[in-house]
Amino acid sequence: NAGVTQTPKFQVLKTGQSMTLQCAQDMNHEYMSWYRQDPGMGLRLIHYSVGAGITDQGEVPNGYNVSRSTTEDFPLRLLSAAPSQTSVYFCASSPQGRVEKLFFGSGTQLSVL
Amino acid sequence: RKEVEQDPGPFNVPEGATVAFNCTYSNSASQSFFWYRQDCRKEPKLLMSVYSSGNEDGRFTAQLNRASQYISLLIRDSKLSDSATYLCVVNMAGGSTLGRLYFGRGTQLTVWP
Repeated sequence: NAGVTQTPKFQVLKTGQSMTLQCAQDMNHEYMSWYRQDPGMGLRLIHYSVGAGITDQGEVPNGYNVSRSTTEDFPLRLLSAAPSQTSVYFCASSPQGRVEKLFFGSGTQLSVL
Repeated sequence: RKEVEQDPGPFNVPEGATVAFNCTYSNSASQSFFWYRQDCRKEPKLLMSVYSSGNEDGRFTAQLNRASQYISLLIRDSKLSDSATYLCVVNMAGGSTLGRLYFGRGTQLTVWP
């Protein structure tokens, strides 16, 4: 059982470039979400999804897009990378009715130069 | 003002010591509360939920004071393996709404031999 798989683990981008962070889970969880973690800021919710075809914004959605075409996958797209998006990104999933029981991926360290 | 406030520490304690962390939250309508543990450069993992009556899980005790909007985590007989960052998490919505799950910045604990 792989759990939540995030790729890539590390990425360096130039300002203005776009990219997609991949997230997949094999636990048939309804809920999936993306967080960013910055020093001294804690984890902040970017976007989340309560099921296939349904997404919503979290605390810090600007500059990011998501889609949820299947239960398993929840990719995060950076449209035009900015240095302020340098962060560690975590994807997480949780079973329906247990929103607090988040299973996190191992994270992506993103640097935007 | 942040929704969830924690003393970032660091707390440095010897093996066998008892240590307590505190967390305050700003929204009195908050519904449920949790502690997560995050090891260095790793993903967060759910440690325990916090119930109104207080709850124990082995050496860990969590307590909630709704009147003071305050949550605590007590670790008894500290082990070297307890060294980590402890994240306070508050769900400010009823039911299962991912969009209202707020993380504190975390409290860093180091247990030394």
